[in-house]
Amino acid sequence: NAGVMQNPRHLVRRRGQEARLRCSPMKGHSHVYWYRQLPEEGLKFMVYLQKENIIDESGMPKERFSAEFPKEGPSILRIQQVVRGDSAAYFCASSPPGVPTRQYFGPGTRLTVT
Amino acid sequence: SQQGEEDPQALSIQEGENATMNCSYKTSINNLQWYRQNSGRGLVHLILIRSNEREKHSGRLRVTLDTSKKSSSLLITASRAADTASYFCATDAGTGNQFYFGTGTSLTVIP
Repeated sequence: NAGVMQNPRHLVRRRGQEARLRCSPMKGHSHVYWYRQLPEEGLKFMVYLQKENIIDESGMPKERFSAEFPKEGPSILRIQQVVRGDSAAYFCASSPPGVPTRQYFGPGTRLTVT
Repeated sequence: SQQGEEDPQALSIQEGENATMNCSYKTSINNLQWYRQNSGRGLVHLILIRSNEREKHSGRLRVTLDTSKKSSSLLITASRAADTASYFCATDAGTGNQFYFGTGTSLTVIP
């Protein structure tokens, strides 16, 4: 059973471009979470999704950021018009249905905005 | 407000010594978890302790939880150079939806 997959592992974007980060949860997991980690800091919750539903987006910036978890395919975190402050590691985690406590983390995507 | 503040921020010890890290949090929790993160890598789950548990062991790891003081400690015994990493505690604040992570303790084990 493969773990949580994230791609790309590293992404470089110029200011104003769009960044798309993908997350494939573990097989059988229907809950997906996105976290952001700034340098020298802990992880900050962004959004919690189930298939086709956003359950909790209290940690998402109000503008430029969006997330989806379609019925088929990976979860996508989309950042429009990136700025230097978006440079961070973005981690995805997944958990099985009915058991949100234990979250399994992916290796992360490191976004650099130049 | 942020949950899970680790102390110390950085710790450097000799191989073979024990390492103790502490975590304090602010509101009621269901669970507290400890994670390890090697430089530039993802998080590895170490151990989960429930709010009705006081102590838990896993190999060289020992975790304690004091809900009256809203604090937890992680003890790594007989440390190894491979234990060098950042260690984070994470709490769920009762919601189960999201984890609140602290800023972590950076542990360096000197061979």
